[in-house]
Amino acid sequence: GAGVSQTPSNKVTEKGKYVELRCDPISGHTALYWYRQSLGQGPEFLIYFQGTGAADDSGLPNDRFFAVRPEGSVSTLKIQRTERGDSAVYLCASSLSARGDTQYFGPGTRLTVL
Amino acid sequence: AQKITQTQPGMFVQEKEAVTLDCTYDTSDPSYGLFWYKQPSSGEMIFLIYQGSYDQQNATEGRYSLNFQKARKSANLVISASQLGDSAMYFCAMREPGDNFNKFYFGSGTKLNVKP
Repeated sequence: GAGVSQTPSNKVTEKGKYVELRCDPISGHTALYWYRQSLGQGPEFLIYFQGTGAADDSGLPNDRFFAVRPEGSVSTLKIQRTERGDSAVYLCASSLSARGDTQYFGPGTRLTVL
Repeated sequence: AQKITQTQPGMFVQEKEAVTLDCTYDTSDPSYGLFWYKQPSSGEMIFLIYQGSYDQQNATEGRYSLNFQKARKSANLVISASQLGDSAMYFCAMREPGDNFNKFYFGSGTKLNVKP
């Protein structure tokens, strides 16, 4: 079956602009996670959704970052007033449920803020 | 304190030989899970192997095995008979219970280079 997909694969934007990153999880997976991976580092947790609600957004760095999952499937990570420090690979993962399941990752979106 | 520590930024191994990638973890919770992921240059994180904290035996998946030493809090990945396609970044991760869901923590990774 289809894995986690993310679009776009690459996004180049100018400082101060608004961007949206999309994640389409594996069908039937209720849990969805966003991570940010900086160069040479492991993924860092941003936000977790169970169904439509953000159950934990403690990893979002500041209020310029926001994510939604209105129908419990596709999720969009939104970044306002982008800064150069936001440049990273943004990874999305999904799992069957929130407890006791392996996370499966998408290919990521490489965001470059000029 | 770091939840996951990978002390080898880079490793070299000769094709067809075995290699061990180190991982130590820190948790006070008795129920946790340990994972290894492979990240090739394409960027996708590929799940390799899982070990539960209550599992009595070391996990194995094909050429991958996890050397789980609970008292030492280590979960090293062993890749047998290395192949050129094994060249990639490898991340160790831990899942521990949170208030609402399991939280995942990743190490900084080890870059494995397989030499022909």
